[in-house]
Amino acid sequence: KAGVTQTPRYLIKTRGQQVTLSCSPISGHRSVSWYQQTPGQGLQFLFEYFSETQRNKGNFPGRFSGRQFSNSRSEMNVSTLELGDSALYLCASSFSSGSSYEQYFGPGTRLTVT
Amino acid sequence: AQRVTQPEKLLSVFKGAPVELKCNYSYSGSPELFWYVQYSRQRLQLLLRHISRESIKGFTADLNKGETSFHLKKPFAQEEDSAMYYCALSRGGGNKLTFGTGTQLKVEL
Repeated sequence: KAGVTQTPRYLIKTRGQQVTLSCSPISGHRSVSWYQQTPGQGLQFLFEYFSETQRNKGNFPGRFSGRQFSNSRSEMNVSTLELGDSALYLCASSFSSGSSYEQYFGPGTRLTVT
Repeated sequence: AQRVTQPEKLLSVFKGAPVELKCNYSYSGSPELFWYVQYSRQRLQLLLRHISRESIKGFTADLNKGETSFHLKKPFAQEEDSAMYYCALSRGGGNKLTFGTGTQLKVEL
């Protein structure tokens, strides 16, 4: 089975711009979660999508949004980028929603905001 | 709010020595605890979860609700154990994980 894929792997944007990151889950997985990883704050949960519906949301401003398509692929969008948004963005997929289902992580998208 | 604390940023041990990676949590309910590992140039992956009570790659972790701890232990460290280890908590009802800041384990020869 192919693992979780994320595109692009690296991205450089300017303050004020917006960005869209993509995540393709493992085939058959219906839940996709997003995390932000920074040296200062570590790994922080952004949101989870299950069957095209947002199931959980972390404590991030409204500039961070996401969606999930019928094929379970997910995108996250960050508008009006700030320098502090520079981070590694990880997505994870699981068969279903619930802590009993193992989450499989992607390689991440490294976003640099200048 | 739930919180996970890993007090050590770096833990260095010699090969063959016992390893204990500390994890403490704060959560008023009944959490589910996990250990994730990230080897060099690899993805973050699940190592073990407290529910399964199993040993993976020689590692075990026991949930101590009285001390709100979930320390990861291995009796004899191997060189291939060198990696970043994250303790994580889930409160159920979805896939939201709260991670600790991680401990870099370095096993020296």
